[in-house]
Amino acid sequence: GESVGLHLPTLSVQEGDNSIINCAYSNSASDYFIWYKQESGKGPQFIIDIRSNMDKRQGQRVTVLLNKTVKHLSLQIAATQPGDSAVYFCAERPHRGSNYKLTFGKGTLLTVNP
Amino acid sequence: EAGVTQSPTHLIKTRGQQATLRCSPISGHTSVYWYQQALGLGLQFLLWYDEGEERNRGNFPPRFSGRQFPNYSSELNVNALELEDSALYLCASSRGTGSGNQPQHFGDGTRLSIL
Repeated sequence: GESVGLHLPTLSVQEGDNSIINCAYSNSASDYFIWYKQESGKGPQFIIDIRSNMDKRQGQRVTVLLNKTVKHLSLQIAATQPGDSAVYFCAERPHRGSNYKLTFGKGTLLTVNP
Repeated sequence: EAGVTQSPTHLIKTRGQQATLRCSPISGHTSVYWYQQALGLGLQFLLWYDEGEERNRGNFPPRFSGRQFPNYSSELNVNALELEDSALYLCASSRGTGSGNQPQHFGDGTRLSIL
């Protein structure tokens, strides 16, 4: 079935370093991907999304890369700050028109050391 | 712009009772989604409402139900509560499915604890 997985359950970085969070997906028909950040005691917060017809998209301090050949998604955070400490989820939509059917991975815990 | 709001923040119930959770979507959003996030697990899709209709439900028993009101707010009802229902219940909203690629935006959830 559909699944979204993360290569690293935890990631610890120093403040100011760049962070890379990886995600593998299994459904080659997925056409839309989203990254969320969830801080303790809060709901997931939308970070950035990317359509399958793109391989890179940039936001403020974040970049999402999509490699459809190997079904891999990554989130890069530049100059990581303590406020970036959170659990990061990737989510995929298996096909167009199924916005309800987002499949979420279990998340990667990012810890930023001052 | 106000985000998705959920109430109550915390809810404590005992086994067999019934719980009602509420959600107000972002203004202009017509789709509301409910998820269960149990400890150590990812987000499990529960229900999707759009334009007042239930459009789809996840793999949960019928005692999980809900509705969407004309103002697009939504309720999640859980009957005959069981210990394993203890979880964070998250509501998300998005523009209608006819609006193309639309991310879901989440509230901060209701923490339901069953004693």
